Amino acid sequence: EPEVTQTPSHQVTQMGQEVILRCVPISNHLYFYWYRQILGQKVEFLVSFYNNEISEKSEIFDDQFSVERPDGSNFTLKIRSTKLEDSAMYFCASNLGTKSDTQYFGPGTRLTVL
Amino acid sequence: AQSVTQPDIHITVSEGASLELRCNYSYGATPYLFWYVQSPGQGLQLLLKYFSGDTLVQGIKGFEAEFKRSQSSFNLRKPSVHWSDAAEYFCAVGALGGGADGLTFGKGTHLIIQP
Repeated sequence: EPEVTQTPSHQVTQMGQEVILRCVPISNHLYFYWYRQILGQKVEFLVSFYNNEISEKSEIFDDQFSVERPDGSNFTLKIRSTKLEDSAMYFCASNLGTKSDTQYFGPGTRLTVL
Repeated sequence: AQSVTQPDIHITVSEGASLELRCNYSYGATPYLFWYVQSPGQGLQLLLKYFSGDTLVQGIKGFEAEFKRSQSSFNLRKPSVHWSDAAEYFCAVGALGGGADGLTFGKGTHLIIQP
């Protein structure tokens, strides 16, 4: 069964450094998403992406964040200058984009900012 | 704005007993409702979803959920829990039609199974 994959599973970085989190969505899916989950808290929507542009973003997704689909398979989330409060689990998701479709989630990348 | 409330932070159930996890939502239109499960250190796995039609939906692992529009609820049930059901359960709501809209999640219910 096709699945969303994410790399790395765990990323440790120093405050102020740039990080890129990578995702490979399910191959025939058209919509891609990033969510984050701060430890012990709920999963929060960050951004959705369709047809090579951002479709929707939350207030969390400020200028420090950017997304890109650099090729036909990868979908990346970049945090330009990490802060301590960016420490969280980041989930990528994708769906076909048709009515009633389900978002399928990857296993997540745990980001630790020191 | 849409919101999801899961009133129970923790629930403890004996193995073999029945389970009901509560979920209430607030949404201005017809919602698209999900239950996801997250085992420790794992990602989110879809248990079931409601889009339209029959208000009682069946999911994987023996779970079911019932959509009650009058109560704005989408409670998750299982007739007999197994120790492997211990996990975090999230209810989520999305806009009808899928597409670009992000899902709004509840804070989750942590399920503990007693032997």
